[in-house]
Amino acid sequence: RKEVEQDPGPFNVPEGATVAFNCTYSNSASQSFFWYRQDCRKEPKLLMSVYSSGNEDGRFTAQLNRASQYISLLIRDSKLSDSATYLCVPRGGGATNKLIFGTGTLLAVQP
Amino acid sequence: DAGVIQSPRHEVTEMGQEVTLRCKPISGHNSLFWYRQTMMRGLELLIYFNNNVPIDDSGMPEDRFSAKMPNASFSTLKIQPSEPRDSAVYFCASSPGGGNIQYFGAGTRLSVL
Repeated sequence: RKEVEQDPGPFNVPEGATVAFNCTYSNSASQSFFWYRQDCRKEPKLLMSVYSSGNEDGRFTAQLNRASQYISLLIRDSKLSDSATYLCVPRGGGATNKLIFGTGTLLAVQP
Repeated sequence: DAGVIQSPRHEVTEMGQEVTLRCKPISGHNSLFWYRQTMMRGLELLIYFNNNVPIDDSGMPEDRFSAKMPNASFSTLKIQPSEPRDSAVYFCASSPGGGNIQYFGAGTRLSVL
């Protein structure tokens, strides 16, 4: 089983739509979680951290379900500029204390 | 700050040649990471340093790969000899502490013919 599983997409949505991405992770000892964003042919950049109680940053909402080892990202009112690959990133717990990057979900927002 | 600086941005070489990738982390960051990204395998951690000391090199594919960090402002990743399957984008990232939030360089796109 992969350490991090994401639907690769692409998710093709119109501007203004709401879209949600899901991710599952295998290491139950993971304590920290993040979403990174990667534009085409660019480097990954931190989008937001994911807290146990869920957190919101403008149009973006992240949720964590530890029991199911599941992380989600919701984007409301999609913009063209949101088009990118979204990487789910748990921090490995226990002996593996490093970021584990998922292969990402591609979002394409259409005009 | 200029961010993490990697060089070269692009490298095309022939199989068997030595390749050296360079990275200058953000000043004051004490952790440095080397990643490789391919379509098939995504972003894989190769090695990371904490205070210039290699902490985990379990992701280094084989003996052909080596990495050094002689001081806090410079690191190299060397491949010798290079093979076509090494073709990928290599990213360097630095972190101010703990590694939770990592700042990536623009990457080096390596093509081995």
